[in-house]
Amino acid sequence: SQQGEEDPQALSIQEGENATMNCSYKTSINNLQWYRQNSGRGLVHLILIRSNEREKHSGRLRVTLDTSKKSSSLLITASRAADTASYFCATDPYRGGTSYGKLTFGQGTILTVHP
Amino acid sequence: DGGITQSPKYLFRKEGQNVTLSCEQNLNHDAMYWYRQDPGQGLRLIYYSQIVNDFQKGDIAEGYSVSREKKESFPLTVTSAQKNPTAFYLCASSWAGEYNEQFFGPGTRLTVL
Repeated sequence: SQQGEEDPQALSIQEGENATMNCSYKTSINNLQWYRQNSGRGLVHLILIRSNEREKHSGRLRVTLDTSKKSSSLLITASRAADTASYFCATDPYRGGTSYGKLTFGQGTILTVHP
Repeated sequence: DGGITQSPKYLFRKEGQNVTLSCEQNLNHDAMYWYRQDPGQGLRLIYYSQIVNDFQKGDIAEGYSVSREKKESFPLTVTSAQKNPTAFYLCASSWAGEYNEQFFGPGTRLTVL
């Protein structure tokens, strides 16, 4: 089964509103990453948060990580129509401190931002 | 799509034929990966390689093969043993180690006729 599970599966909002997507995972991690995919394209890395970090910002993106609950959230503030895409979380499982780069991706959240 | 190229963008093959998908990167990354994505689904790892001349099976390696003879290249062959090969195939690369964010190519859409 997938390590990361996103919620909701689909989200529809108006321009200017905030969008929040959640990710839950099962095992300990080295880091958790968020990616974006426009329809029919490759994925683009958005942000990486390490297991010892609780919050990280990048422009209009805010990511939180709660390792006690094994969950993360991605907040996009003041959304734009161009933010319409699928968003995936990916976890790098903890293997005694060594990262092998073998990420496990969730099913994704489809975000639609209406103009 | 960074410094990773995949070719071709669209590929059609007849049942029973092997086909090779190309992936090249100029980012000097050590690690490379192949994923399969089905409609409305996440990514599933097929094979990955952390160093030249070495690679490991991912979660769905059956019916696929790879080689890593050069650091820049990681071709994927979809063999006739793959029962349901129609999918979107994505190649990625990353640095080895802790900061392992992956850079993806534009993908190849394979359709079996």
